Formats: sequence, structure tokens, C-alpha cells
Amino acid sequence: QKEVEQDPGPLSVPEGAIVSLNCTYSNSAFQYFMWYRQYSRKGPELLMYTYSSGNKEDGRFTAQVDKSSKYISLFIRDSQPSDSATYLCAMRKPGTASKLTFGTGTRLQVTL
Amino acid sequence: GAVVSQHPSRVICKSGTSVKIECRSLDFQATTMFWYRQFPKQSLMLMATSNEGSKATYEQGVEKDKFLINHASLTLSTLTVTSAHPEDSSFYICSAPLSTVRGTQYFGPGTRLLVL
Repeated sequence: QKEVEQDPGPLSVPEGAIVSLNCTYSNSAFQYFMWYRQYSRKGPELLMYTYSSGNKEDGRFTAQVDKSSKYISLFIRDSQPSDSATYLCAMRKPGTASKLTFGTGTRLQVTL
Repeated sequence: GAVVSQHPSRVICKSGTSVKIECRSLDFQATTMFWYRQFPKQSLMLMATSNEGSKATYEQGVEKDKFLINHASLTLSTLTVTSAHPEDSSFYICSAPLSTVRGTQYFGPGTRLLVL
């Protein structure tokens, strides 16, 4: 069993829709949670960062962490075609020198 | 703006040659950098952790003699793919942790390697 599970998609939604992307994890030691966006043939770009449980909002993006369920989510409101990319969740345990564990990534396609 | 740069962005080489990829942190020091490999439509696979002033730490299954890592300074790490073969063709990405945002990493734009 992988430490971090993420549905690879692809997920196709119409422009303006609310998108929900999710990851589950098995190791309760994870404390730092991140979402990265990766466009084709580019490096991942940090979108959201949260520490432990809770919500964080930044513009159209909201990240949620539910440690009791070992479940994290990224919500995108008013989705745009420019949001079409692969979204990777990542997480880190304390004291692991910034070493991240990634999900497989979910491909999102926002259509006109 | 970008905080980590990589060079070159793309390289095509003949089988048997060696290829060097540079990763630089911009405007910040990075005592640790990470090298990843990514195959099409797959997630990032951590290859090794580059440590300034000491040997790199390689992940299980990664050949250290094949993928030479040198952390020459606090802002530069290099990955050399030695005697490259077609199966080494991949997208190589480096990252560096930014101490002001604890626990995160910032990624370079990646280097696409094609070995003919």
C-alpha cells in the first residue's frame, strides 16, 4: 500500500465549476501538507501549504486537512481553462529534512 | 518569480555520453537540494538528496555511479548522468527547501533528457 493515494483522473469539468481534489494517506506522522500544480513539461509550482489540521484559503483555492480521517483536499472555485494541469499532493513528516512524499497526481481538464 | 533554476531545459545526446544538469537556488542558500525523475503521466520519483559539503544520499534502487551528484556551493547542485542510455531519457527536476516556509520545497522548471 502506498503511503499517499491520489486518484490519477483525468477529471474533466466545465468552466466555472467547483473542483474537488483529494488525497488519502496512511501514516499519521505526516504533519505538513502541500498542493502543487504542474503544467505539462514544467516543474511543479507550490499552490498551497498547510500545517496539521484545518483550512486555508488563497483566492480561488482552499486547502483542507482532516488528520482524523487522514484526508486532504484542494478546492478550486470558479475553475478556469488555465487551471488545466496535474495537481500533486505532497506531505512531510517532522524531522525528515524536507523530504516529501507525493501522490501520483490528478490530471484536471477545465473545458470551455 | 522563479526561486530555483535549472540548466539546460532540454538536452539531446547520443548513447554513451555524459550529461550534466545544473540546479541553482536564486536569492537563497540551500544546504540541501533534491533530485527527482518523472516519467510521462507519472508522479515524481525522488532519486537523491544533495547535501552541501558531504555526499549525496541516494534512494533505494538508484545507481550512485550512474547519477553523480555534486553540491558545489550553497546555491548550486549538479546531476551528471554518466554513460547515458535511451532508458535514461526522462524529465529530471530539482528542488530546494525554502527555510522561510517550513516543510515546503520549490521546484526548478525541469530538464528534459532524450538519449538517442
